[in-house]
Amino acid sequence: GQQLNQSPQSMFIQEGEDVSMNCTSSSIFNTWLWYKQDPGEGPVLLIALYKAGELTSNGRLTAQFGITRKDSFLNISASIPSDVGIYFCAGQLKGGSQGNLIFGKGTKLSVKP
Amino acid sequence: NAGVTQTPKFQVLKTGQSMTLQCAQDMNHEYMSWYRQDPGMGLRLIHYSVGAGITDQGEVPNGYNVSRSTTEDFPLRLLSAAPSQTSVYFCASSLALQSNQPQHFGDGTRLSIL
Repeated sequence: GQQLNQSPQSMFIQEGEDVSMNCTSSSIFNTWLWYKQDPGEGPVLLIALYKAGELTSNGRLTAQFGITRKDSFLNISASIPSDVGIYFCAGQLKGGSQGNLIFGKGTKLSVKP
Repeated sequence: NAGVTQTPKFQVLKTGQSMTLQCAQDMNHEYMSWYRQDPGMGLRLIHYSVGAGITDQGEVPNGYNVSRSTTEDFPLRLLSAAPSQTSVYFCASSLALQSNQPQHFGDGTRLSIL
């Protein structure tokens, strides 16, 4: 099946540092979504991207829809302890339905105070 | 605002037992879906529904049944549980089957099959 390659798998950073993670695929996507999952909870939507080249911010978070439509990145600036969690990218294939929403395997973020 | 509500939160079953995982949403969303989350695998789509009376298979449908008799509810049934179905199950909903309607997730059901 289709795959999203999300990297890195995990990150250990110091509070205040910036974070960058990305997702790539060999397929073209119509939509890129970034979710955060806290322990024991479901994923919560952070940012949604709908157009190639689109750059969207949500507070300290910034995400971009790659020009080739095959990748996306998420940046977190000035990390704080509550940023800890697993971040997932998800993409909806070009010409696909919500049934074709594909998730990356996640980036686990740990922040040292 | 309840959003997407899943019950139970935890369940332990014996191999061969049957069980229904409940999912309800109060947002009048047309689209609902079930995912399973396994370590290192991300989220994989089991079944989805684009509206009452309509269901379809996702990436990993074997061993699971669904029905959508109302807009609000989308139960997931395990007819004969197997250890391979030990996982965390998430239900999600969105307003419609369109790329600009992101999904909202419940808090999950943690299922162990012995």
